[in-house]
Amino acid sequence: SQTIHQWPATLVQPVGSPLSLECTVEGTSNPNLYWYRQAAGRGLQLLFYSVGIGQISSEVPQNLSASRPQDRQFILSSKKLLLSDSGFYLCAWMAGGTYEQYFGPGTRLTVT
Amino acid sequence: GENVEQHPSTLSVQEGDSAVIKCTYSDSASNYFPWYKQELGKRPQLIIDIRSNVGEKKDQRIAVTLNKTAKHFSLHITETQPEDSAVYFCAASIGGGYQKVTFGIGTKLQVIP
Repeated sequence: SQTIHQWPATLVQPVGSPLSLECTVEGTSNPNLYWYRQAAGRGLQLLFYSVGIGQISSEVPQNLSASRPQDRQFILSSKKLLLSDSGFYLCAWMAGGTYEQYFGPGTRLTVT
Repeated sequence: GENVEQHPSTLSVQEGDSAVIKCTYSDSASNYFPWYKQELGKRPQLIIDIRSNVGEKKDQRIAVTLNKTAKHFSLHITETQPEDSAVYFCAASIGGGYQKVTFGIGTKLQVIP
């Protein structure tokens, strides 16, 4: 069966510091991968999605970037964090040609 | 692009009563409509979904209905229980290949014992 992992689970970072969040999926090949951000008490904001290695589409221009160095690995990065980057970061996957999207356990980021 | 509107934003019901959450979508090409439940501090979990070739789907106490003509779909929870308290998100997408899922803003459901 398929499993999605995210790490770290929680992170506290100062403003201006770099960020790297990782997501990996097991048990499937060539999945569609997504990064979402959820501010406290708010909805799901799509940040990036990828349909294959090296293929990244950005939904919201900001100080974040994403990369997909391997088929089942998706990385979210920032060179300099802002206070507004605080939130719950969720990675999600979808098997190609299917309909259902599944979320990882999330990373709770607090920028101080 | 697709736009999904969801209401109400909050909903309080007595235990045992029914709850209904409604969503509308804008893109007539959307053909897949999932519902997610998110408990506090946890990931959204897919609880039920419906495709555009079906008008209604039921799974125990939850059901979804879809009206393609009006471009709206609804989640119905019967005999609500305290563990149904959570935030519920509707979504719409054009499925079957690469797809981007557009989410509603969420409904916070509180079931009062």
